[in-house]
Amino acid sequence: GESVGLHLPTLSVQEGDNSIINCAYSNSASDYFIWYKQESGKGPQFIIDIRSNMDKRQGQRVTVLLNKTVKHLSLQIAATQPGDSAVYFCADKTSGGYQKVTFGTGTKLQVIP
Amino acid sequence: DADVTQTPRNRITKTGKRIMLECSQTKGHDRMYWYRQDPGLGLRLIYYSFDVKDINKGEISDGYSVSRQAQAKFSLSLESAIPNQTALYFCATSEAGGTYEQYFGPGTRLTVT
Repeated sequence: GESVGLHLPTLSVQEGDNSIINCAYSNSASDYFIWYKQESGKGPQFIIDIRSNMDKRQGQRVTVLLNKTVKHLSLQIAATQPGDSAVYFCADKTSGGYQKVTFGTGTKLQVIP
Repeated sequence: DADVTQTPRNRITKTGKRIMLECSQTKGHDRMYWYRQDPGLGLRLIYYSFDVKDINKGEISDGYSVSRQAQAKFSLSLESAIPNQTALYFCATSEAGGTYEQYFGPGTRLTVT
């Protein structure tokens, strides 16, 4: 079936290092992807998005890479800070119809001071 | 002030009781959503509404109903709560049109005993 999922449930990173969070998707009709950050006790918060006609998009300290050939996207966080500790999950949108957004299960990022 | 608010934030109820979760938004968005979040399963869509007169079932609507009382208000009801409806519930909003970013409320933690 169609799914959006993450390779690793937990990622521990030293403060100051770069973090890479991966996501695989299976729906070839997906044309838009979003990364969300969810801090403990809070709702998900938009980080960055990318359309399927792009390979890379950069934001403030974050970069999303999209590889449509292998249906994979990643979120890179530069100079990881303690405030980056959260659950990160990707979501994809299919083209046409309702344009359903499907959310992945999430990766917990732990920043080690 | 928060753009998307949910009440209550926490609720413990007994099996068979009727429960209503409320969501209000000040973002002026037409589109509103209800999700539940369970560990390891990510966010799953219960119902969504694209305007006041529009209600649509999501992937897990059984046992739930919704009411869109106004553009700013979207409530979720559990007609007869059961223990497997214990979860974290999120309301979200989004603009109509080409952006798919969703803005989430802080969540309601519901426990059915």
